[in-house]
Amino acid sequence: AQSVSQHNHHVILSEAASLELGCNYSYGGTVNLFWYVQYPGQHLQLLLKYFSGDPLVKGIKGFEAEFIKSKFSFNLRKPSVQWSDTAEYFCAVNSDERGGADGLTFGKGTHLIIQP
Amino acid sequence: KAGVTQTPRYLIKTRGQQVTLSCSPISGHRSVSWYQQTPGQGLQFLFEYFSETQRNKGNFPGRFSGRQFSNSRSEMNVSTLELGDSALYLCASSPQGTGTGNTIYFGEGSWLTVV
Repeated sequence: AQSVSQHNHHVILSEAASLELGCNYSYGGTVNLFWYVQYPGQHLQLLLKYFSGDPLVKGIKGFEAEFIKSKFSFNLRKPSVQWSDTAEYFCAVNSDERGGADGLTFGKGTHLIIQP
Repeated sequence: KAGVTQTPRYLIKTRGQQVTLSCSPISGHRSVSWYQQTPGQGLQFLFEYFSETQRNKGNFPGRFSGRQFSNSRSEMNVSTLELGDSALYLCASSPQGTGTGNTIYFGEGSWLTVV
């Protein structure tokens, strides 16, 4: 069974700091990778996704992520965070096996707090 | 375009009762999946439906069931509720389902409290 590990459960940064949130998964086959964000009181929103092609993907609000297959990683980055980035961030994986019918496997989430 | 709509948003049930949650996907989306979110276990996949057929089910007991109607609307049912079933239940929709390159859109969820 696939699993997803997010290394940091809580991260506190100051505005304008750079951000990198780690995500590793444990499936050896073809995977589809996602980062979702959940702002306080709001529903899950897709930040970015990787299915194939360029391993560096760009998402909304200045976020990007790099898929490194050899490291089973899909880390999320942003060069300069803003107070409005305070939220819960989830990494998710879906294996291509069985046409992706196994749903998304989520990490436990990283609670990001940006201090003004 | 309306998003994924879930009803009811909040409900309180007593142990042993059963509950039905409803989800209306984005217009044109044929796939609906359900997830349970709890502080301890995080987000866990319950099941996915496509064209009224269950494609797969996560590691949950048989008390958790669902169905999808011809208009793609979906319901999930939990019978014989336990305290541990208290959670946020999220519905997600996509045009063709997970693993197809589609973006999966989530609803705001139904908060279930079991007392």
